[in-house]
Amino acid sequence: KQEVTQIPAALSVPEGENLVLNCSFTDSAIYNLQWFRQDPGKGLTSLLLIQSSQREQTSGRLNASLDKSSGRSTLYIAASQPGDSATYLCAVETSGSRLTFGEGTQLTVNP
Amino acid sequence: DADVTQTPRNRITKTGKRIMLECSQTKGHDRMYWYRQDPGLGLRLIYYSFDVKDINKGEISDGYSVSRQAQAKFSLSLESAIPNQTALYFCATSDGKQGLDGYTFGSGTRLTVV
Repeated sequence: KQEVTQIPAALSVPEGENLVLNCSFTDSAIYNLQWFRQDPGKGLTSLLLIQSSQREQTSGRLNASLDKSSGRSTLYIAASQPGDSATYLCAVETSGSRLTFGEGTQLTVNP
Repeated sequence: DADVTQTPRNRITKTGKRIMLECSQTKGHDRMYWYRQDPGLGLRLIYYSFDVKDINKGEISDGYSVSRQAQAKFSLSLESAIPNQTALYFCATSDGKQGLDGYTFGSGTRLTVV
């Protein structure tokens, strides 16, 4: 059974700092890995999708990497802003369209 | 319009009542899903459908039923709501092509059962 772990569970940083969120998964037989952002009580917004054959994806200040063989992904956020404060969720898709989520990292960026 | 639309956004209902949550999508995806999110438990899969004639139970289907009325519509019903079904419910879609398009989620329905 696929298990996804996100570290740290919570992170508080000053504005402007670069930061890294970590995601690990137990079964490397994945189709893709997707990073989502969730604001309190709101829906999930897709940030980046990395196919299993890819190593990284970038969107603006966000960069996600994938090392499938070691079962790890990182989400790098450059020059953090208070508007980046949210919960970040990592999810992996395996065969049968099964999506397994981590518990998330709650990020607070302080002005 | 949003790619995945859920209605209602918020609902308060009484124990024992029947309630339906609706989801529609404009992504053209064949696959649709219902998840619930609870603090400390993350997102858990309730039901999923790979096409109109294919419906499958997820991890926590007890107390729920679904209907896939069309490719674009997938509804979730609670036949007799109970307080521990209070949660944030999400509908999602995927293209089923080995994840080429990823998953798209709706904005969620916050359900409170009193």
